[in-house]
Amino acid sequence: GQQVMQIPQYQHVQEGEDFTTYCNSSTTLSNIQWYKQRPGGHPVFLIQLVKSGEVKKQKRLTFQFGEAKKNSSLHITATQTTDVGTYFCAGRGGGSNYKLTFGKGTLLTVNP
Amino acid sequence: DTGVSQNPRHKITKRGQNVTFRCDPISEHNRLYWYRQTLGQGPEFLTYFQNEAQLEKSRLLSDRFSAERPKGSFSTLEIQRTEQGDSAMYLCASSLQAGETQYFGPGTRLLVL
Repeated sequence: GQQVMQIPQYQHVQEGEDFTTYCNSSTTLSNIQWYKQRPGGHPVFLIQLVKSGEVKKQKRLTFQFGEAKKNSSLHITATQTTDVGTYFCAGRGGGSNYKLTFGKGTLLTVNP
Repeated sequence: DTGVSQNPRHKITKRGQNVTFRCDPISEHNRLYWYRQTLGQGPEFLTYFQNEAQLEKSRLLSDRFSAERPKGSFSTLEIQRTEQGDSAMYLCASSLQAGETQYFGPGTRLLVL
């Protein structure tokens, strides 16, 4: 079945440093979503990428979808303590137009 | 609050007991999903409803698990004869259409003793 791998598993940064998490799928995706989950919270939708090579920005967050639609990345510029949480990518593909396959997530901690 | 709601938020039960969770999706959303999340993992797909029809069940959903959405609005997830391995966060999500954004509820955290 479809697998989504995400690295790194953990990342600790000093406030102001940049952060990147990478996502790779075993199969071509129709689209990919990114979610943020705060400690003790639930996944909160950040963005959806659909097109090959797509790049989207939300303030300090930059999301990319690979040309082959099998990988994606999230980059945060100048991290803040409010960025703390686990970032998940979730891919849709493998013949299903609704089921999301989540990566294991990257836990980001920020030292003030 | 017009988001997805789930009840109860926490449930502690003894092994062998039955539990039932409820999910109320965003009102105009006719797609509803159940996921399970264990510590350190991403959510895993359990089942999917389009209106009242259950269109897919993951093999993670053993015969002790049953989900319903009788009127195409709220949904229930029942676990019979709970086991310690059932301890997890059970998340519900809804979307307007199949390929669109899934919005998650706050989850029900289950602990089986």
